[in-house]
Amino acid sequence: EVHLVESGGGLVQPGGSLRLSCAASGFTFSLYWMSWVRQAPGRGLEWVANINTDGSGKYFVDSVKGRFTISRDNAKNSLYLEMNSLRVEDTAVYYCALNNNWRFDPWGQGTLVTVSS
Amino acid sequence: QSALTQPPSASGSPGQSVAISCTGTSSDIGGYNYVSWYQQYPGRAPKLMIYDVSKRPSGVPDRFSGSKSGNTASLTVSGLQTEDEAYYYCSSYGGSSNLVFGGGTKLTVL
Repeated sequence: EVHLVESGGGLVQPGGSLRLSCAASGFTFSLYWMSWVRQAPGRGLEWVANINTDGSGKYFVDSVKGRFTISRDNAKNSLYLEMNSLRVEDTAVYYCALNNNWRFDPWGQGTLVTVSS
Repeated sequence: QSALTQPPSASGSPGQSVAISCTGTSSDIGGYNYVSWYQQYPGRAPKLMIYDVSKRPSGVPDRFSGSKSGNTASLTVSGLQTEDEAYYYCSSYGGSSNLVFGGGTKLTVL
């Protein structure tokens, strides 16, 4: 069974940094693009970032460009999201998802990031 | 990277059909057949219901169907059941390896 588990969320002050991880199992991780999607409290889904199979291609929504970076370790079946210069508006549940030709399936359970002083 | 437009709410009685629209542009929905629909219950992760405009993943009831005309995609839920009450989000490939979601529609089963 395909399974994704996020970790690393928590409370951070504005301007701070946080690294999210996503552990994958049940599929050949290195063959698939992966993505991060976030959902602010009471709001809709927002695509954040994609990474291609070998990590050479990384794509971001405009609001996080220059602040967030996405990476992967295919040997460890893991996806990461490094978030710097965090803002209050980055507060959200962050989901990782398997990106199979622009359909996201499955999703992890999400990890909450709260940016507040 | 502008969000796709969905109605904030939709409703129907058990057994009825309801359609939820998702409007984009020629740069996203109109330009590609990579429209997906997701169902989300409060506090839960989204679940893929429709992909590639009209394809259903294994396990999704055939009461759920998708279509597209021009820059607008639609999700139709036929034979509404109480468990269909949830939020529904559309998404589309937007070119340049970007993706865009709709704002979400709360479906209420009356």
